[in-house]
Amino acid sequence: RKEVEQDPGPFNVPEGATVAFNCTYSNSASQSFFWYRQDCRKEPKLLMSVYSSGNEDGRFTAQLNRASQYISLLIRDSKLSDSATYLCVVIDTFSGSARQLTFGSGTQLTVLP
Amino acid sequence: DAGVIQSPRHEVTEMGQEVTLRCKPISGHDYLFWYRQTMMRGLELLIYFNNNVPIDDSGMPEDRFSAKMPNASFSTLKIQPSEPRDSAVYFCASKITGDYGYTFGSGTRLTVV
Repeated sequence: RKEVEQDPGPFNVPEGATVAFNCTYSNSASQSFFWYRQDCRKEPKLLMSVYSSGNEDGRFTAQLNRASQYISLLIRDSKLSDSATYLCVVIDTFSGSARQLTFGSGTQLTVLP
Repeated sequence: DAGVIQSPRHEVTEMGQEVTLRCKPISGHDYLFWYRQTMMRGLELLIYFNNNVPIDDSGMPEDRFSAKMPNASFSTLKIQPSEPRDSAVYFCASKITGDYGYTFGSGTRLTVV
């Protein structure tokens, strides 16, 4: 079983739609969670952190469910520019030293005009 | 801030040749990571350094791969001899202790023919 699993998609949605991605992680000791965005033929870039209480950044909402070990990303009123691959990222921290990120394989989103 | 700088952007080489990828992290960042991305396997961590010291190289696929960080502002990833299955995009990323924000370089797209 992969440490971090995502539905690869692709998700094809019309402009203005609401779309949600889920991601599950296997290590219950995982401490920190993020969503990264990767545009075609570009590097991954941090989109937002995921906090236990859930958090919003404009049209984007991230949530964490520790009991079920999944995180989600909700995009409201989707724009053409939201088309990208969204990577779920988990960090395990031990003794205050950060280990490396573990990336999901990504969910591809295409927003259609 | 120039960000993480990688060179070359593209590399095409023949099987059996030596390939050297270069990375300059963000000044002041004390962690440096080398990742490889392929369609089949997604983003994989190859090796990471903390304060120029290799901490975890368990992701390095085999002895043909080696990485060095002679100083805080420069790292190399070398493949010798290269094989067609090494074809991928290689990303370098850096971060600073206490901050979970990883900054990726633009990547080196390697093609081994």
